[in-house]
Amino acid sequence: DQQVKQNSPSLSVQEGRISILNCDYTNSMFDYFLWYKKYPAEGPTFLISISSIKDKNEDGRFTVFLNKSAKHLSLHIVPSQPGDSAVYFCAAPMNRDDKIIFGKGTRLHILP
Amino acid sequence: ETGVTQSPTHLIKTRGQQVTLRCSSQSGHNTVSWYQQALGQGPQFIFQYYREEENGRGNFPPRFSGLQFPNYSSELNVNALELDDSALYLCASSLRLAGVGELFFGEGSRLTVL
Repeated sequence: DQQVKQNSPSLSVQEGRISILNCDYTNSMFDYFLWYKKYPAEGPTFLISISSIKDKNEDGRFTVFLNKSAKHLSLHIVPSQPGDSAVYFCAAPMNRDDKIIFGKGTRLHILP
Repeated sequence: ETGVTQSPTHLIKTRGQQVTLRCSSQSGHNTVSWYQQALGQGPQFIFQYYREEENGRGNFPPRFSGLQFPNYSSELNVNALELDDSALYLCASSLRLAGVGELFFGEGSRLTVL
């Protein structure tokens, strides 16, 4: 039973355009969400997070939006750059600690 | 400041064998978590160690076991290997505080079971 769902296995976006990666969750007890980025042959690295008391968190080119009523969050990357090509994982802590549930990931391809 | 290091990076075992994977946590971190990432899947939580004791376990059978040492490094042991155990095993360290911590992952150990 997937509690964190990323329904798009891959996404291709033109360089300079906006990339939007989507994530849905089923557990209404989740109150904190994270996005991780993974390059081949490397471990995932933390990208950005959002608490459920907010509906938006911004860090440079990266913005995460949270819609609690829809149990949906999205990661926006503007403008997209070639180095953004990677797999992006949406994740949530099980009990507000370090035990994290991950989605299956979305592979983002930035096209030149 | 050294990051999370894992060894070995790749290994091949046959069904029924046992394997030990090792992880050195990031300097200053006292919590180590292990994740299994099968092909096309996201990382799945195996278990976590804090102060040398298991502190939570995911949906994995007892043949998956672990240790954490006084220097916070850790081992993951898998007995009676099965073909489905083929995966990337990721170690992540963090600093246990009152709230949610970010995980710092190693590059992983890729296990192939034949």
